[in-house]
Amino acid sequence: LAKTTQPISMDSYEGQEVNITCSHNNIATNDYITWYQQFPSQGPRFIIQGYKTKVTNEVASLFIPADRKSSTLSLPRVSLSDTAVYYCLGLDSNYQLIWGAGTKLIIKP
Amino acid sequence: DTAVSQTPKYLVTQMGNDKSIKCEQNLGHDTMYWYKQDSKKFLKIMFSYNNKELIINETVPNRFSPKSPDKAHLNLHINSLELGDSAVYFCASSQDEGSANTGELFFGEGSRLTVL
Repeated sequence: LAKTTQPISMDSYEGQEVNITCSHNNIATNDYITWYQQFPSQGPRFIIQGYKTKVTNEVASLFIPADRKSSTLSLPRVSLSDTAVYYCLGLDSNYQLIWGAGTKLIIKP
Repeated sequence: DTAVSQTPKYLVTQMGNDKSIKCEQNLGHDTMYWYKQDSKKFLKIMFSYNNKELIINETVPNRFSPKSPDKAHLNLHINSLELGDSAVYFCASSQDEGSANTGELFFGEGSRLTVL
């Protein structure tokens, strides 16, 4: 059971790079780490997924060190519209995503 | 076109009533889910269907009954509603059933159920 731990909340300013770190000490050998974003009154939206090292897409980058016990979601040059809850997700024994409280990110002007 | 659509978006009802929430996906996915998000914002999986077959049924009261008439639809029927059923219910779909590199889940907008 890959339980994850991430900060409850973070603040940043427009134009800054934001890094949200998640710890997952019990991640299984084959499991990937997945990040989702949820805006108020909307369903979660997939951001990025990775196994190790670095993954980058048009939205974010994901850094996973060699021991895979943590991962860092990096959002480049955030804007006000990036204010949302960000979930770092592991998997249960049925390969279903385990949802925690997430990190509430507030971007200020 | 909305990929995963669920109706109604809001539902206010009295205790003891029976209600349904409908979900449809036009992504051609084989797997659909129902999640419940409580007031603390934790998302918990309730059911998972793959090609109209139930594959996951987490510990939810049997007052909750999912029905999948075809693989594009997964409806949630709730009998004898209780105060504790108040929550936001999300429908989701994915191409795969679940694996170590579990693919992307596509969520609907949610249905906020309020039981008075």
